[in-house]
Amino acid sequence: NAGVMQNPRHLVRRRGQEARLRCSPMKGHSHVYWYRQLPEEGLKFMVYLQKENIIDESGMPKERFSAEFPKEGPSILRIQQVVRGDSAAYFCASSPRGNDIYGYTFGSGTRLTVV
Amino acid sequence: EDKVVQSPLSLVVHEGDTVTLNCSYEVTNFRSLLWYKQEKKAPTFLFMLTSSGIEKKSGRLSSILDKKELFSILNITATQTGDSAVYLCAVDPGSNYKLTFGKGTLLTVNP
Repeated sequence: NAGVMQNPRHLVRRRGQEARLRCSPMKGHSHVYWYRQLPEEGLKFMVYLQKENIIDESGMPKERFSAEFPKEGPSILRIQQVVRGDSAAYFCASSPRGNDIYGYTFGSGTRLTVV
Repeated sequence: EDKVVQSPLSLVVHEGDTVTLNCSYEVTNFRSLLWYKQEKKAPTFLFMLTSSGIEKKSGRLSSILDKKELFSILNITATQTGDSAVYLCAVDPGSNYKLTFGKGTLLTVNP
């Protein structure tokens, strides 16, 4: 079992470019959560998705950020027109069931640097 | 706003020492408190606590929750260099899927 796979591990983007972060959940997991960890801060919840559905996007900035989890393929977190303040580590977690904090498994994260 | 505060933010000890990490919280509708260990990769699960006063133990690590005083501690005895990591405390404020994290405690264990 490969665990939760995130790629790329490191991503460098210039201001104004787009960043696409990918998350493949563990086998058998159909629930995906994205968190952002800004420098010197704790992980902050962004969005919770099931296949083809956004369940809770209360932590997602209203502009430039979007997330999807299609029927086939990984979950994608997309950041348009990146700014320096988007530099952070983005972690994805997955679980087999929706109401299952105990079953959370985290990926190793994508470290986004905006230059 | 839900809040989780960890202390100290960083700690340096020698191998063999015992350490206590603290986590206090203020949340609207507490369900559970979780501890994770984060090395230079994915946070890995250590403990989940839901009831006051019941110690969870795994090897040299143990943790306990006090729901009246709204805090938890994580103890590590006979520390080893492999214990060096950031220890994260997180609380489920009632959703059963969304966690509120503290900033973490960076533990460095020197040989």
